[in-house]
Order: sequence, then structure tokens, then C-alpha cells
Amino acid sequence: QSVLTQPPSVSAAPGQKVTISCSGSSSNIGSNSVSWYQQLPGTAPKLLIYENNKRPSGIPDRFSGSKSGTSATLGITGLQTGDEADYYCGTWDSSLSIDVIFGGGTTLTVL
Amino acid sequence: EVQLVESGGGLVQPGGSLRLSCAASGFSFGTYWLKWVRQAPGKGLEWVANINEDGSQKYYVDSVKGRFTISRDNAKNSLFLHMNSLRVEDTAVYYCARGGQTRGHYDYWGQGTLVTVSS
Repeated sequence: QSVLTQPPSVSAAPGQKVTISCSGSSSNIGSNSVSWYQQLPGTAPKLLIYENNKRPSGIPDRFSGSKSGTSATLGITGLQTGDEADYYCGTWDSSLSIDVIFGGGTTLTVL
Repeated sequence: EVQLVESGGGLVQPGGSLRLSCAASGFSFGTYWLKWVRQAPGKGLEWVANINEDGSQKYYVDSVKGRFTISRDNAKNSLFLHMNSLRVEDTAVYYCARGGQTRGHYDYWGQGTLVTVSS
């Protein structure tokens, strides 16, 4: 069981908006920045968001990130079938001897 | 273009050894922290090991300490993971990843190499 809690699955229709939550504690999300990764079926993870809300070059602005207290949220607007993937949040925890800890992952289904 | 290409995975018996390699290109290799991250079949992501820019600092998740060794060759733009005393629970896809400019994220990942530990 991960230190960071994500819903196992979310779903929405094409064109709609979806949010994915990531809940942690004061020693991880509460005091450190959050990143988000997209893993399309059968492929490697890809960085979507870093430092809570920054997008790497090439990531469309349909993807956004936010953080409040000990929780973070990934938002995806204008959903496309190609967005169907597993999404992971990540951060580091000041109380653990671990580099980045990851949430358990959320599977997005675009209905 | 940043590229990370892993190799060396395969089927190995419990107690056996394997060496993974990661060939990097498209960036100044010797100026970044590098990582190994694994993903067991159907499971989530787990950080395994870190190495700093010149190889003088190495860190491991508790479950692999004393069994795995991370190393790098900056002259050959290569990262390695030497895995000994392999266990069934080490079965996973192993990814090499580049550390971001700030702590807490990995900005590029390789395609992964599958390690299967089974008798």
C-alpha cells in the first residue's frame, strides 16, 4: 500500500474534464513538490507535470497540476481516447530513505 | 533528443545474477543524477536506486540493499545495475530514468527491460 493515495480508476466521456487526486501527508506532499506521470498501455512512464504545476516542453495545456496542503490534483480537459492510460503522482518524503515515492496509480478510461 | 535505452534483462533463477545497462544520448550525461525504477507485473512504480553525477553517492531502497549495485561510466554515457541474489519478488520491468533539475521528479525514462526471476 502506497504512502500516496490515488483513486484506482476514473472515467469520463470524450471532450469532458477529469481530475485525479493524490493524497499524502505533511512529510511528503505537504512539504515537497509533486510530479505526475502518464503511462500509456505497454509503454514507459512519461513526465506530465513537475514542481506541482509546471509542464515540460511538448505537454499540451490540457494537462494541469495543483497542490493544496497535503493533496495534489491532476486535471485533464478536452479528453481524448488517446488519454487512456495509468497516471501516477510522485514526490519525495522527508521521513523516508526513499528518493521519489509514487502513488498507486489511477487508470483513466475515456468512455 | 534525450534517449535512454536499457538492455540486459532476461530470465534468471532465484539466487542468480544479472547486469542491466542503460545507454544514454542527447544530453550532458555527467551532469545529471540517474535512477533505476521498477514495475512489477500489473503493479505500480517503485524507485530502486540513485547515483549522483560523478558516481560518488549511491542510494538504494531497503529491499535491494546489499544485493544490487548501481554504477555509471561517464566516458561511455552508460548506467548500470548489477543485481545479485535475485529473488522472485525482483521480477519487474526495470527503467532507467534521469533526475530532473530539481529534486522530486524524473524527466526522461527509458523503454524498460524485463527481468524475470523464476525456477
